Amino acid sequence: TQLLEQSPQFLSIQEGENLTVYCNSSSVFSSLQWYRQEPGEGPVLLVTVVTGGEVKKLKRLTFQFGDARKDSSLHITAAQPGDTGLYLCAGNFGNEKLTFGTGTRLTIIP
Amino acid sequence: IAGITQAPTSQILAAGRRMTLRCTQDMRHNAMYWYRQDLGLGLRLIHYSNTAGTTGKGEVPDGYSVSRANTDDFPLTLASAVPSQTSVYFCASSLQMNTEAFFGQGTRLTVV
Repeated sequence: TQLLEQSPQFLSIQEGENLTVYCNSSSVFSSLQWYRQEPGEGPVLLVTVVTGGEVKKLKRLTFQFGDARKDSSLHITAAQPGDTGLYLCAGNFGNEKLTFGTGTRLTIIP
Repeated sequence: IAGITQAPTSQILAAGRRMTLRCTQDMRHNAMYWYRQDLGLGLRLIHYSNTAGTTGKGEVPDGYSVSRANTDDFPLTLASAVPSQTSVYFCASSLQMNTEAFFGQGTRLTVV
């Protein structure tokens, strides 16, 4: 079983601040997905990255895939209370099933 | 609105009882999955199905069984529930294996 490590596990910051969360593996991803999960809901896909070095932007969220395709980061600019949630990365290692990280629980304080 | 429907939304179950969690999708997705989510352990795959008529074991299959008689339905059965199966269970589907997954709202199961 491939392991995905997400850091930090918990993050609490003030509204308007910037933040970055990370997803790392010792193995190479074929592709990587980022999801956000709100309390009482299932995860919802934010983005999929496939190419090493790829950068994708979704409004104030910037996703980067490492050149070696072993890591990814999610940067949020000017965080808002609506960004509060559990952020999960999920890696596809070749033909293996998607493996989810344990998540970063983000709280934005108004 | 198209999507995934899980039932029940929550359940308290006596240990030793049999329970089936239901999952239906109307997106004509080929692949379906069952995950359990526990604090500190993230989402762990229980069983999956590439397409109707086929199923496979995930990371934590023991104590669970699934069937995929048609494209839309993917029920998860606990033959004899144990307290360690207390968890939140999510069903998901995707067009093909490992592509964008769409999740249901979850079933919160407590085994006492």
